[in-house]
Amino acid sequence: NAGVTQTPKFQVLKTGQSMTLQCAQDMNHEYMSWYRQDPGMGLRLIHYSVGAGITDQGEVPNGYNVSRSTTEDFPLRLLSAAPSQTSVYFCASRRAEAGNTIYFGEGSWLTVV
Amino acid sequence: ELKVEQNPLFLSMQEGKNYTIYCNYSTTSDRLYWYRQDPGKSLESLFVLLSNGAVKQEGRLMASLDTKARLSTLHITAAVHDLSATYFCAGRSGGYNKLIFGAGTRLAVHP
Repeated sequence: NAGVTQTPKFQVLKTGQSMTLQCAQDMNHEYMSWYRQDPGMGLRLIHYSVGAGITDQGEVPNGYNVSRSTTEDFPLRLLSAAPSQTSVYFCASRRAEAGNTIYFGEGSWLTVV
Repeated sequence: ELKVEQNPLFLSMQEGKNYTIYCNYSTTSDRLYWYRQDPGKSLESLFVLLSNGAVKQEGRLMASLDTKARLSTLHITAAVHDLSATYFCAGRSGGYNKLIFGAGTRLAVHP
């Protein structure tokens, strides 16, 4: 059971470039989300999804797009990378039932130069 | 809007000592999460507290929730070096799992 898998683990982008961070889970979880973590801070929610075809914005959605075409996958797209998007990105998932543990991926380290 | 504050942000402990990390939150949160993060690693779920008065224990860690005071605590008993990590609490804002995290408590346990 692979859990929550994120790729790539490390990426360097130039300002203005676009890219997609991939997230896949094999636990049949309904809920998936993306967070970013900046140095010395907790995680902040970017976007989330409660099921295939349903997404919504979190605290810091600007500059990011998401889609959820399948239960398993929840990619995060950076439309035009900016240095302010240099961060560590975590994907998370859980079952819909109350009280279920939220599982986090290993993280994707992104640097925008 | 839910805000979550942890204190202290940094904690240096001697092995064998006890200490408590505090997590205050500003508005109603129907559950409270505690996570551990090692440097360069992902978050590991420690506890999910669902109701007022909930207490959960795992090894040397014990978490509690007081929804009336909007306070959760993570108590460390007889600290050992392996507990060195950053600990985060998070409340839930609205439905789903829109977690709002505290800034984290960086714990260092030394001999």
